[in-house]
Amino acid sequence: EVQLVESGGGLVQPGGSLRLSCAASGLTLSRYSMHWVRQAPGKGLVWVSRINSDGSTTVYADSVRGRFTISRDNAENTLYLQMNSLRVEDTAVYYCVRHCTYGVCYADWGQGTLVTVSS
Amino acid sequence: SYELTQPPSVSVSPGQTARITCSADAFPKEYAYWYQQKAGQAPVLLIYKDIERPSGIPKRFSGSSSGTTVTLTIDGVQPEDEADYYCQSADNSATYGVFGGGTKLTVL
Repeated sequence: EVQLVESGGGLVQPGGSLRLSCAASGLTLSRYSMHWVRQAPGKGLVWVSRINSDGSTTVYADSVRGRFTISRDNAENTLYLQMNSLRVEDTAVYYCVRHCTYGVCYADWGQGTLVTVSS
Repeated sequence: SYELTQPPSVSVSPGQTARITCSADAFPKEYAYWYQQKAGQAPVLLIYKDIERPSGIPKRFSGSSSGTTVTLTIDGVQPEDEADYYCQSADNSATYGVFGGGTKLTVL
């Protein structure tokens, strides 16, 4: 059974930083592109970032480019999201998501970790 | 990239058929995918490539496509189907997913 377990969320002041982690089990992370998708309270799903299987290519949503960095450690089966210069509008549940093998979709989701940016 | 438009809400009685539409605003349309998100839970992939169902998804969930509109149909709706449903397609370079705004299905 595939499990994706996020950690690292919490309360941070505007301008602060957080590092999210996603530990994968039941799959070999190095075989898949991975994404972060977020959901603000009471709102819909929004894609944040993607990293390819070997970590050589990363893509970001306009809203986070230059502030967030996605990375991975395939040896540790772990995905990361470094979030700097956080803004109030970054407040959301952040999901670690596995890219489908059959299209641009999201096959497996973690339970999410809540990031709250507030003074 | 696309914008995907869904109705904010749909209501049905148990045993009835629910249909949730998702319209793209531009051609070409990529494949569509559907997710179910129950309250307090992570989304679950329901339908991929417009009409395909992952293993473990009940047969009462089906997808269809016509032009730039895709539809999620739930036959014989059950109380446990009450959830938010999101359609998703891909950006023009097939790099990341673009989500619709979501539809809240209420089972009366």
